[in-house]
Amino acid sequence: DAGVIQSPRHEVTEMGQEVTLRCKPISGHDYLFWYRQTMMRGLELLIYFNNNVPIDDSGMPEDRFSAKMPNASFSTLKIQPSEPRDSAVYFCASRQGGGNQPQHFGDGTRLSIL
Amino acid sequence: AQSVTQLDSHVSVSEGTPVLLRCNYSSSYSPSLFWYVQHPNKGLQLLLKYTSAATLVKGINGFEAEFKKSETSFHLTKPSAHMSDAAEYFCVVVRGGADGLTFGKGTHLIIQP
Repeated sequence: DAGVIQSPRHEVTEMGQEVTLRCKPISGHDYLFWYRQTMMRGLELLIYFNNNVPIDDSGMPEDRFSAKMPNASFSTLKIQPSEPRDSAVYFCASRQGGGNQPQHFGDGTRLSIL
Repeated sequence: AQSVTQLDSHVSVSEGTPVLLRCNYSSSYSPSLFWYVQHPNKGLQLLLKYTSAATLVKGINGFEAEFKKSETSFHLTKPSAHMSDAAEYFCVVVRGGADGLTFGKGTHLIIQP
């Protein structure tokens, strides 16, 4: 079975540019999560969706960040405008069912903002 | 609030010797706990999970963990380390009342040949 698929794997862009990260969850999973990983702060939950509906976006750093899930098989995380402090690895994860079930992670997008 | 503390940021063992990665948790109720492993440039992979069934949980790749309520611990062990075990390991607790996960800061496992 295909796992969680993220694209691109690497992104390098200049500050001020718009960045769009993409995620395809595992088929049949009804939860989707976006995380950010940095050396300083570790893994942080940014936002999660249940059945395509955003449930908790309290981890989104600021208004420059937005996430959408137009259907059950696709989600985007957008940063506009991007800043150097947004440089991090962004992970998408999906899960089937309630909180006691494990999340399955993609391989991440390594984002560098120059 | 639920939290986890990984007691060691780095652990170094020789190949073929036992591995012990320590994790303590804090929770106002019986928690659900996971151990994940992250190899370089990869996502997190589930090793094992505890969800209030058996206190000794067996995972993949020969790892296991024991839930000890009296010690609020969930340490990860493996009898014999292999070079391929070198990675970052995360102890994770399910947030109460929400669906996200709270991650420990990670333990970097180094395997000496």
